[in-house]
Amino acid sequence: KQEVTQIPAALSVPEGENLVLNCSFTDSAIYNLQWFRQDPGKGLTSLLLIQSSQREQTSGRLNASLDKSSGRSTLYIAASQPGDSATYLCAVWGTGANSKLTFGKGITLSVRP
Amino acid sequence: EPEVTQTPSHQVTQMGQEVILRCVPISNHLYFYWYRQILGQKVEFLVSFYNNEISEKSEIFDDQFSVERPDGSNFTLKIRSTKLEDSAMYFCASGTSGGAWETQYFGPGTRLLVL
Repeated sequence: KQEVTQIPAALSVPEGENLVLNCSFTDSAIYNLQWFRQDPGKGLTSLLLIQSSQREQTSGRLNASLDKSSGRSTLYIAASQPGDSATYLCAVWGTGANSKLTFGKGITLSVRP
Repeated sequence: EPEVTQTPSHQVTQMGQEVILRCVPISNHLYFYWYRQILGQKVEFLVSFYNNEISEKSEIFDDQFSVERPDGSNFTLKIRSTKLEDSAMYFCASGTSGGAWETQYFGPGTRLLVL
């Protein structure tokens, strides 16, 4: 059974700092890995999707990397801003019996002005 | 920009009552999903739906749950006899392909409270 872990559960950084959010998964048989953003009381917004054959994806100040063999992904946020404060969820789309999105619990990021 | 909508945003019900959560997916999408998130817990997959039938379902999605696409626009989740542990945020999502190749678009959620 696929398990996705995100540590730490919460992170607080000053504005302008570059930061890395980590995600690990137990079963490397995946089609893709996705990073989502969730604002309090709101739905999930897709940030980046990395196919299993890819190593990284970039969108603006965000860069996500994938090391499928080691079961790890990182989300890099450059020059963080208070508006980046949210919960960041990692999810993998598995194969076979895991053909669904399996989510981590998320990292709650607070960017202090 | 097209978006997934869900109604109601909040619902309070008594244990044992039936509830229907409604979703309007993005219009050209063919794949539909329900997820739930118990407060403080992970987002969990419930069910996927394609071509008017269930594609995948999790062990959570037992006989108390059902899904339906009653017309060309709505996608519903019914819980027949709610339990206290059904209290959660329920998210609908939709996509143009089966999820392995492109992202899913999530609605804002329905917060269900069972008393």
